[in-house]
Amino acid sequence: SAVISQKPSRDICQRGTSLTIQCQVDSQVTMMFWYRQQPGQSLTLIATANQGSEATYESGFVIDKFPISRPNLTFSTLTVSNMSPEDSSIYLCSVERSTGNEQFFGPGTRLTVL
Amino acid sequence: SQELEQSPQSLIVQEGKNLTINCTSSKTLYGLYWYKQKYGEGLIFLMMLQKGGEEKSHEKITAKLDEKKQQSSLHITASQPSHAGIYLCGAPNTNAGKSTFGDGTTLTVKP
Repeated sequence: SAVISQKPSRDICQRGTSLTIQCQVDSQVTMMFWYRQQPGQSLTLIATANQGSEATYESGFVIDKFPISRPNLTFSTLTVSNMSPEDSSIYLCSVERSTGNEQFFGPGTRLTVL
Repeated sequence: SQELEQSPQSLIVQEGKNLTINCTSSKTLYGLYWYKQKYGEGLIFLMMLQKGGEEKSHEKITAKLDEKKQQSSLHITASQPSHAGIYLCGAPNTNAGKSTFGDGTTLTVKP
């Protein structure tokens, strides 16, 4: 298994501000992902965080709104920019050691935008 | 695209009772994850099933994959309040990370 930590665990932010969420894994992993879970809904993949290059975004998500960094194989950040109340969600970091293997999730960051 | 339907959507049981949650796929299942989520928190990995007929157990939780029915069932024996939470099934994709997830089943266990 993989031990994943996220910071912060929760935050309440004002409209128009930005928040950066950190994800740290206890060992090197090939694949790291960022998901969003809106209230009462299932998981939506935001992007794949690529080490040393730009993230790969899913349809409906753009780099200007959700810039992602992945400087090495154990760490990534997701920034939620220019926040609005619609961004209130749980943001989850996820890892896979390789395709087809178990997919693990971090404890999540619960974001509320006022 | 693949869709996963979980049933029931919610479940309330008395402590000590057994229960089953189902996850049905619209397409062939090549594997299936089961996760548990406490409200507002992250997902706890329970198990991954990779072959038809495979059955795995994690403490009092057992899950089985029926490839022919494109379905997986998760069974909890002698439920306890600690089992309460949201149970999510997920189907891995050949494209890493693009797993499909069900909407979840909310389980309440009454002491």
